[in-house]
Amino acid sequence: EVQLLESGGGLVQPGGSLRLSCAASGFSFSTYAMSWVRQAPGKGLEWVSGISGSGGSTYYADSVKGRFTISRDSSKNTLFLQMSSLRVEDTAIYYCAKAASGSPKGKYYFDYWGQGTLVTVSS
Amino acid sequence: EIVLTQSPATLSLSPGDRATLSCRASQSVSSNLAWYQQKCGQAPRLLIYDASNRATGIPARFSGSGSGTDFTLTISSLEPEDFAVYYCQQRSSWITFGQGTRLEIK
Repeated sequence: EVQLLESGGGLVQPGGSLRLSCAASGFSFSTYAMSWVRQAPGKGLEWVSGISGSGGSTYYADSVKGRFTISRDSSKNTLFLQMSSLRVEDTAIYYCAKAASGSPKGKYYFDYWGQGTLVTVSS
Repeated sequence: EIVLTQSPATLSLSPGDRATLSCRASQSVSSNLAWYQQKCGQAPRLLIYDASNRATGIPARFSGSGSGTDFTLTISSLEPEDFAVYYCQQRSSWITFGQGTRLEIK
């Protein structure tokens, strides 16, 4: 059974940093691209960042480019999102999502999602 | 950026009714479109990919159609568990989601 478990969310001040983790199990982690997708309170879904199975290719939404860094550790089956220079508008639930089979580079559908971790940016 | 516009914003129907949800893209996405269901407090679930293919374990009452800029998600006969928010997503050019359609019980 595929499981994705996010952690690392919390309250942070504007301009601060936070590192999210996503522990994956139930599938061959290094085979699949992964992404982070966020959802502001009461709002829709926004793709944030993606990374290839090997970790060699990374992709970012314009809204986070230069501030967020996605990475993965295949020895620990874990996906990360390092967030810096955080803004109030980054407040959201952050979901870890697995790319579906056959997804071309950077072009994903998401067949499994974690339950999310809440990031609140506020003074 | 490709903008996806979903309509209606809210759809009020009864169990057993047929639901038709629309997603329109600002430019052609070919068949690179998926549909997700999200229930309150839960993560999204993939229903349809490549515009018309049901994901694993999705009941046959869910179907998708369309290509280019106009897409439709149809639920043939609503079950109580189908009342939720539905999102479309394109992967033709980067990744964007529609703003969602809330399917509520009438």
